[in-house]
Amino acid sequence: QVQLQESGPGLVKPSGTLSLTCAVSGGSVSSSNWWSWVRQPPGKGLEWIGEIHHSGRTNYNPSLKSRVTISVDKSKNQFSLKLSSVTAADTAVYYCGRIAAPMGWYFDLWGRGTLVAVSS
Amino acid sequence: DIQMTQSPSSLSASVGDRVTITCRASQGISNFLAWYQQKPGKVPKLLIYAASTLQSGVPSRFSGSGSGTDFTLTISSLQPEDVATYYCQKYNSAPRAFGPGTKVDIK
Repeated sequence: QVQLQESGPGLVKPSGTLSLTCAVSGGSVSSSNWWSWVRQPPGKGLEWIGEIHHSGRTNYNPSLKSRVTISVDKSKNQFSLKLSSVTAADTAVYYCGRIAAPMGWYFDLWGRGTLVAVSS
Repeated sequence: DIQMTQSPSSLSASVGDRVTITCRASQGISNFLAWYQQKPGKVPKLLIYAASTLQSGVPSRFSGSGSGTDFTLTISSLQPEDVATYYCQKYNSAPRAFGPGTKVDIK
């Protein structure tokens, strides 16, 4: 049974870079699936950040594209998120997820989420 | 980019009531729509994909319909465990935007 687990600092300073990793267990990041990041500010809705395939192909939310990098590390069976120049507006629970591609580009598996606060 | 809207933003209904939530896309997305349920403090859970296909293990009181720009999620008989926020998501192409959510609680 595939499981996803986010990890990374829970506190990032303004103007810094948020870095998170999603470890894939019970399966391979090199499968046919795509892998994705979503965030949820406290008390608000879900925001799609972007997605990656093990080939390195990526798609990003245009509203975040200038600050976001998603990468995959096949040797460690994980994928990562970097968000630069963060502000308080980037405070959110960050979820990693598996995309059910090629069946469809919806999330069929989610990590538990990790809260990242941006504060000095 | 295609924008997703949902209505209502919140609703309160009695146990056993039929509940309908609407999701609208600003442009046609065929049937590339998913619905998720997020209970308070929990991770979102996939309910429906391809607009009307029930994910394995999801109770049959949940159903989805629609195509193009207008979609609905229906709970045929609301149960206490259905208290949650429901999100639609379009996935025909990136960016794979979510709707703003509909909060459902018990009257």
